[in-house]
Amino acid sequence: EDQVTQSPEALRLQEGESSSLNCSYTVSGLRGLFWYRQDPGKGPEFLFTLYSAGEEKEKERLKATLTKKESFLHITAPKPEDSATYLCAVQGLYSGNTPLVFGKGTRLSVIA
Amino acid sequence: DTGVSQDPRHKITKRGQNVTFRCDPISEHNRLYWYRQTLGQGPEFLTYFQNEAQLEKSRLLSDRFSAERPKGSFSTLEIQRTEQGDSAMYLCASSLVQGTGEQYFGPGTRLTVT
Repeated sequence: EDQVTQSPEALRLQEGESSSLNCSYTVSGLRGLFWYRQDPGKGPEFLFTLYSAGEEKEKERLKATLTKKESFLHITAPKPEDSATYLCAVQGLYSGNTPLVFGKGTRLSVIA
Repeated sequence: DTGVSQDPRHKITKRGQNVTFRCDPISEHNRLYWYRQTLGQGPEFLTYFQNEAQLEKSRLLSDRFSAERPKGSFSTLEIQRTEQGDSAMYLCASSLVQGTGEQYFGPGTRLTVT
């Protein structure tokens, strides 16, 4: 069974204080690993897809990286508007283009 | 460019009542998914459609839940005889069959069963 574990559960940063969020996964063949941002009371917003170990993607202050067992979301010089819950999800190669299996997320608070 | 829309955004109902939610996917997307999210948890898969065909249902989807996508466009999710444990955010997402796998989510419908 595909599983995703995210850590830490919550993270509090000062504005400008860089850090990383972790996503550990087990899947019988990885089709894709996805990062989403979710603001309170809203649906998840797509950020990145990673497909193979060694791949990296960047968007503004965010950079996602992937190894065979985990993914990191690096946040460089965060701003208060980066405060949100960040969700990681995997899609198994043998399950086709179907359900995403999500972790519980990391709640990020960036304090000015 | 319109994203995924869901209606209503909030629904309060009494235990035992039936409720129905609607989802309109991104227009060219042929796959549509329903997820449920409770506080402090990630979204959990319920069911998905490719065009009008319902291809997979989670074991989380009890007999009280039914979903349809009659013309391969919008979808409805109905919950019969609601229970307090059904209180959650119900999320709809859509994607392309031949796409790169990412699913785009709507704003969700928050259900509260009293």
